[in-house]
Amino acid sequence: GNSVTQMEGPVTLSEEAFLTINCTYTATGYPSLFWYVQYPGEGLQLLLKATKADDKGSNKGFEATYRKETTSFHLEKGSVQVSDSAVYFCALSEWSGAGSYQLTFGKGTKLSVIP
Amino acid sequence: DAGVTQSPTHLIKTRGQHVTLRCSPISGHKSVSWYQQVLGQGPQFIFQYYEKEERGRGNFPDRFSARQFPNYSSELNVNALLLGDSALYLCASSIEPSTDTQYFGPGTRLTVL
Repeated sequence: GNSVTQMEGPVTLSEEAFLTINCTYTATGYPSLFWYVQYPGEGLQLLLKATKADDKGSNKGFEATYRKETTSFHLEKGSVQVSDSAVYFCALSEWSGAGSYQLTFGKGTKLSVIP
Repeated sequence: DAGVTQSPTHLIKTRGQHVTLRCSPISGHKSVSWYQQVLGQGPQFIFQYYEKEERGRGNFPDRFSARQFPNYSSELNVNALLLGDSALYLCASSIEPSTDTQYFGPGTRLTVL
């Protein structure tokens, strides 16, 4: 079946540091890939997505490139801020064959940014 | 425009009870999915509904059921609650099932004592 593996957290960085959160996936077909962010006490917000190989998703300074050859979708940001402190989830969406797309999530990586 | 809304925000139940959670999708979205997020884990897919029909079901027991109404809102029902059902229940909507992007609501925090 499909699966997503994320880098173990928690990750603690100083403000303005470079961020990388690793994500690899296993899928039988050609999934779309997503990063969602969850702030404390809230639901998930879509951060960025990529739908095919070599696509780059970007939003709010975050970027991730769909790498089919390494089955990876690593999240990066050049300079993190305190407000980026949250839990980040990598996910894939693949056609179920039963008439719908279903999301499969990684376990999440907690990021804390200190001033 | 309003995003996905869920009610209630928090709920406390005891073992063996029944619970109903509610979700209203983004205006114009016709498909609703439900996910369970246990503390410290990623969300797990429970159900997807479109046009009042079940389009997908995850690996959850029959105690879990759902339905969708003509206005595309949805209810998730859980019978005979167990301690292990304590979780954040997330609803997500998409324009239709063939759309791969889903947008999430704030969730309902269920605590089973």
